Amino acid sequence: AQSVTQLGSHVSVSEGALVLLRCNYSSSVPPYLFWYVQYPNQGLQLLLKYTTGATLVKGINGFEAEFKKSETSFHLTKPSAHMSDAAEYFCAVTEKGNSGYALNFGKGTSLLVTP
Amino acid sequence: DADVTQTPRNRITKTGKRIMLECSQTKGHDRMYWYRQDPGLGLRLIYYSFDVKDINKGEISDGYSVSRQAQAKFSLSLESAIPNQTALYFCATSDILAGGLDEQFFGPGTRLTVL
Repeated sequence: AQSVTQLGSHVSVSEGALVLLRCNYSSSVPPYLFWYVQYPNQGLQLLLKYTTGATLVKGINGFEAEFKKSETSFHLTKPSAHMSDAAEYFCAVTEKGNSGYALNFGKGTSLLVTP
Repeated sequence: DADVTQTPRNRITKTGKRIMLECSQTKGHDRMYWYRQDPGLGLRLIYYSFDVKDINKGEISDGYSVSRQAQAKFSLSLESAIPNQTALYFCATSDILAGGLDEQFFGPGTRLTVL
């Protein structure tokens, strides 16, 4: 079974600083990887996804992630944090079920942005 | 109007009661999912359905059942609620055509408290 580990349940950065949220996966087959964001009192929204091809993936709101097969990682970065980036971030990997695919989520990383 | 709606948004119930959470979508997607979110545990898959005749158990299906009444409706039932089912429940949909490459679209969530 595929799984995801997010390192650090809470990350705090200053406004304008680099954001780095870590995600490692385990998979016996090439994975499909996703980052979702959950703003307070809202559902989840897709930030970006890796399927095949270019290993550096750009998403919404200035976020990007790089798929590194040798390190089994898919870390999320943003060069300059904004106050509005404060949210819960989830890394996810697909897992094939009886009829197709469903997502396996990491436990989440809460991002705090301080002035 | 929201593409994925969940009712109720909040519910407080007592141990032993039967409760149903409903999900409707206007996206025309074949695939629907139910997740629960607990602090520090991320999202865990309860059940998923890839079409009206297809129902699959997820990671934590014990104590839950589902019904796919139509392409647009997917209900989650707790036959006899217990306190450790207190959680935030999310419904999600995705499009069958792109397989594991799909984005899942999430509803706003239902906050369930079992006393």
